[in-house]
Amino acid sequence: RKEVEQDPGPFNVPEGATVAFNCTYSNSASQSFFWYRQDCRKEPKLLMSVYSSGNEDGRFTAQLNRASQYISLLIRDSKLSDSATYLCVVNIGSGTYKYIFGTGTRLKVLA
Amino acid sequence: NAGVTQTPKFQVLKTGQSMTLQCAQDMNHNSMYWYRQDPGMGLRLIYYSASEGTTDKGEVPNGYNVSRLNKREFSLRLESAAPSQTSVYFCASSEGRYSGANVLTFGAGSRLTVL
Repeated sequence: RKEVEQDPGPFNVPEGATVAFNCTYSNSASQSFFWYRQDCRKEPKLLMSVYSSGNEDGRFTAQLNRASQYISLLIRDSKLSDSATYLCVVNIGSGTYKYIFGTGTRLKVLA
Repeated sequence: NAGVTQTPKFQVLKTGQSMTLQCAQDMNHNSMYWYRQDPGMGLRLIYYSASEGTTDKGEVPNGYNVSRLNKREFSLRLESAAPSQTSVYFCASSEGRYSGANVLTFGAGSRLTVL
């Protein structure tokens, strides 16, 4: 079993739709959680950190469920510019170096 | 406001050739990392440097060496390139504090092809 698992997609959604991605992690010692966005042939860029109480940034909402060991990302009112791959990243926490990356979920927002 | 700068952006090598990927950050970060990204595999850690003067192996270190030249710079060397090292390489940095959420900031990537 992979340490961090994501549905690879693609998720094809119309503009204005709401879409949600989940990511499961296997290490219960995981301490920090992130969603990164990666455009084709570009570097990953931080979309948002995920906090225990859940957090929102504009159209984006992230949730953490430690009991079930998953994090989620909800995108409301999808834009064409949201088309990208979304990477789930987990920091194991025993040292600052151990970040585990999911393989990403591809989103296509259609006009 | 450069962040993390990597060079070169593209490189084609023949099997057995050597090369060094350069990385520099201007955010006064303590920790630096080298990752490779291959289709369907996610990013995998090659080497990291928790702080200036230290380096450690990551998940896939074979065939690579690193040097933390100073706080800003962290280079990755392929001594004898192999086709299996064809990949996109990303350098990243983070503050490296042991408390709080350490966000990784990535460079633009170096696309390496080994023939």
